Amino acid sequence: SQTIHQWPATLVQPVGSPLSLECTVEGTSNPNLYWYRQAAGRGLQLLFYSIGIDQISSEVPQNLSASRPQDRQFILSSKKLLLSDSGFYLCAWNGDSGNSPLHFGNGTRLTVT
Amino acid sequence: AQTVTQSQPEMSVQEAETVTLSCTYDTSESDYYLFWYKQPPSRQMILVIRQEAYKQQNATENRFSVNFQKAAKSFSLKISDSQLGDAAMYFCAYRSEPGGTSYGKLTFGQGTILTVHP
Repeated sequence: SQTIHQWPATLVQPVGSPLSLECTVEGTSNPNLYWYRQAAGRGLQLLFYSIGIDQISSEVPQNLSASRPQDRQFILSSKKLLLSDSGFYLCAWNGDSGNSPLHFGNGTRLTVT
Repeated sequence: AQTVTQSQPEMSVQEAETVTLSCTYDTSESDYYLFWYKQPPSRQMILVIRQEAYKQQNATENRFSVNFQKAAKSFSLKISDSQLGDAAMYFCAYRSEPGGTSYGKLTFGQGTILTVHP
């Protein structure tokens, strides 16, 4: 069965520090991978999505970046965090079939102080 | 670009009663997929139900059913016999047919917080 792992679960970082959130998927190959951010318990904002290695699209211009070093690994990074980067970050994957639902990780709660 | 609108920021229901959550979307596509997700206080995202746009029959999953009105671009979720465990934030989501310019990514509504009263 497929599983998705996301870590860390909680992170407190000072303004200006770097960020690295990691997500890995097991049990499937060539998944579509996504990073979402949820602020203040409201809607999910799509940050990045990737349909394959070296194929990453950014949805919102910001100081965050994403990389996909391996087929089932997706990393969200920042060189210098801003206060506005605080939020709940969710990694997710789905397959190419249209009705393939998104499978989410447990999320990372990031607080920038 | 597709947009998804959930016009009810909050809803409440008595235990054992029925509640309907609204969702509308804007698209020019004919083939797409719709989903409802539930996010309880644990913040884990859980798939509730899904609907293929080419299917006229409304999807059902136990106590959960949808009213899919393609022409009206409406996709409401009905929860029957509400239980305390149904209390959560509910998100409606739209997915284009994969292979198009949007690569099949999901667009989410802003969510509806459902409170269940005992």
